[in-house]
Amino acid sequence: DAGITQSPRHKVTETGTPVTLRCHQTENHRYMYWYRQDPGHGLRLIHYSYGVKDTDKGEVSDGYSVSRSKTEDFLLTLESATSSQTSVYFCAISDYGGRGETQYFGPGTRLLVL
Amino acid sequence: GIQVEQSPPDLILQEGANSTLRCNFSDSVNNLQWFHQNPWGQLINLFYIPSGTKQNGRLSATTVATERYSLLYISSSQTTDSGVYFCAPLLQAAGNKLTFGGGTRVLVKP
Repeated sequence: DAGITQSPRHKVTETGTPVTLRCHQTENHRYMYWYRQDPGHGLRLIHYSYGVKDTDKGEVSDGYSVSRSKTEDFLLTLESATSSQTSVYFCAISDYGGRGETQYFGPGTRLLVL
Repeated sequence: GIQVEQSPPDLILQEGANSTLRCNFSDSVNNLQWFHQNPWGQLINLFYIPSGTKQNGRLSATTVATERYSLLYISSSQTTDSGVYFCAPLLQAAGNKLTFGGGTRVLVKP
């Protein structure tokens, strides 16, 4: 299995508070991704990174920001959490940006915003 | 718009049965992956298959990119095959990002 960890694994927070989720990899892969999974929507891409300090938006980026200061860490921040951001968040990594490479997923973080 | 459709949405199998899951997509594909999400939520790679056929044990997959579909075959199903199966093509129209289908939920009964 690819070396991907996510922290925290579970979090309960209140509307309006900031939340940061961390993804850590030990594979030295260039590309990292954040997805959210919701019933009826499958997995949707929030943001991705194609290198240190290089990030771009995905399909559902509103309300989220990301940062990548080291190859191994990709942070997802909810600046002011809302109930619509209650979801399961998955981090993924790949070496060639998807075109010719498999993406590997972390174990997920379950976030509940009250 | 971009569409990835999986069928059937739900499937109940008796242990030992065979089944076929289908994934239709609306645009040219450079890559396609099949994933299994187990009952604990973990997403596990099954296949990277932009075209052709691959086999891995009791599972096999076929992608016909020119006709914009992929199939996942499960043979001699086991209770451990239960979970949700996702296909995720990398579509040119989606900026070469993986687009996930809605999944097929499989329950294998002993």
